[in-house]
Amino acid sequence: QKEVEQDPGPLSVPEGAIVSLNCTYSNSAFQYFMWYRQYSRKGPELLMYTYSSGNKEDGRFTAQVDKSSKYISLFIRDSQPSDSATYLCAMSAYIYGGSQGNLIFGKGTKLSVKP
Amino acid sequence: NAGVTQTPKFQVLKTGQSMTLQCAQDMNHNSMYWYRQDPGMGLRLIYYSASEGTTDKGEVPNGYNVSRLNKREFSLRLESAAPSQTSVYFCASSERGRGSGQPQHFGDGTRLSIL
Repeated sequence: QKEVEQDPGPLSVPEGAIVSLNCTYSNSAFQYFMWYRQYSRKGPELLMYTYSSGNKEDGRFTAQVDKSSKYISLFIRDSQPSDSATYLCAMSAYIYGGSQGNLIFGKGTKLSVKP
Repeated sequence: NAGVTQTPKFQVLKTGQSMTLQCAQDMNHNSMYWYRQDPGMGLRLIYYSASEGTTDKGEVPNGYNVSRLNKREFSLRLESAAPSQTSVYFCASSERGRGSGQPQHFGDGTRLSIL
């Protein structure tokens, strides 16, 4: 079982739709959860950062973490064509310094928002 | 704000040639990373540097060497390039090291093709 699973898509939605992106993971030690957005031919850009369980909202974006189910989600409300990108989930455990503390990435979901 | 700067942006090499990928960050971060991103494989850690003068192997270090020249700069060297090293290479940095839970900040990548 891979440590982090993410559906690669592609996911195509009309402008204005609510988008739900998800990742599952197997390592119960993960405590830090991130979502990165990657535009074509660009580097990953940090979008959302959460610690442990719960929700975090930033504008049109909401990140949710359910540690009991080992499941994280990113919701995008009122999606725009400018949201078209690949979204990567990433997570790590609090094991300072060792390789077990590496940031582990999902493979990314490619999202296309059509005008 | 430059953030993480990578040079060159594109490079084509012949098998057996050598080259060095350069990375510099201006955020006064202590830790720096080199990743490669391949279709269907996601981001994989090549090497990590917790601080100036220290480096550690990541998930896929074979065929690569690194140098942490100073706090700002972290270079990746391919001594004898192979077609399997065709990839997009990303440099990243964070204020504290892996396992601290801090997010990493990425450059825009070097697209390397080896014929």
